[in-house]
Amino acid sequence: GENVEQHPSTLSVQEGDSAVIKCTYSDSASNYFPWYKQELGKRPQLIIDIRSNVGEKKDQRIAVTLNKTAKHFSLHITETQPEDSAVYFCAASIMGNGGSARQLTFGSGTQLTVLP
Amino acid sequence: NAGVTQTPKFRILKIGQSMTLQCAQDMNHNYMYWYRQDPGMGLKLIYYSVGAGITDKGEVPNGYNVSRSTTEDFPLRLELAAPSQTSVYFCASGIGVSYEQYFGPGTRLTVT
Repeated sequence: GENVEQHPSTLSVQEGDSAVIKCTYSDSASNYFPWYKQELGKRPQLIIDIRSNVGEKKDQRIAVTLNKTAKHFSLHITETQPEDSAVYFCAASIMGNGGSARQLTFGSGTQLTVLP
Repeated sequence: NAGVTQTPKFRILKIGQSMTLQCAQDMNHNYMYWYRQDPGMGLKLIYYSVGAGITDKGEVPNGYNVSRSTTEDFPLRLELAAPSQTSVYFCASGIGVSYEQYFGPGTRLTVT
């Protein structure tokens, strides 16, 4: 099945600096790559996603890049703020029988701490 | 809309007991999922459903059962609870796997 590896597991940055989290996936047929943010004690929430027909997507201070050849994708957060402190999860869709994707496989998460 | 709701929020079970975790959504989503999240870990898929009457196993289905008799509800049944099932359980729903999944608030389960 699909395997998604996420690095680093913890990341500390100074407020205003950039943060980068990287994920690799194993199934070349995966075509959807979301990123979820989970604040302490809260539910995961989607912050950005990218599909395999796009190489990069931006939303204000957040961007995601995808390299299909190398099978890796990354989350970039610029001008970090204390409220960016949370656990971030990447995920990749995996294909079921008949060629349709039915479920996501999540990475193990990155605890981002933004130091004031 | 209430979105995705889960009950109970907290529960303590004794080893060998059984219980049902409830999940409901009012967004008319066909896809629903059950995940477990162990402390400091990612989300592991237990079971999922692509529509009423259709369910399938995820990565960690052992010790659990599900049913999907309506579009709105997707209960998760734990039979013969074990300490290894101590976790936070999240239900989620969406219009398809390649679209946003909306998560419920979670159920924190402790088995002692």
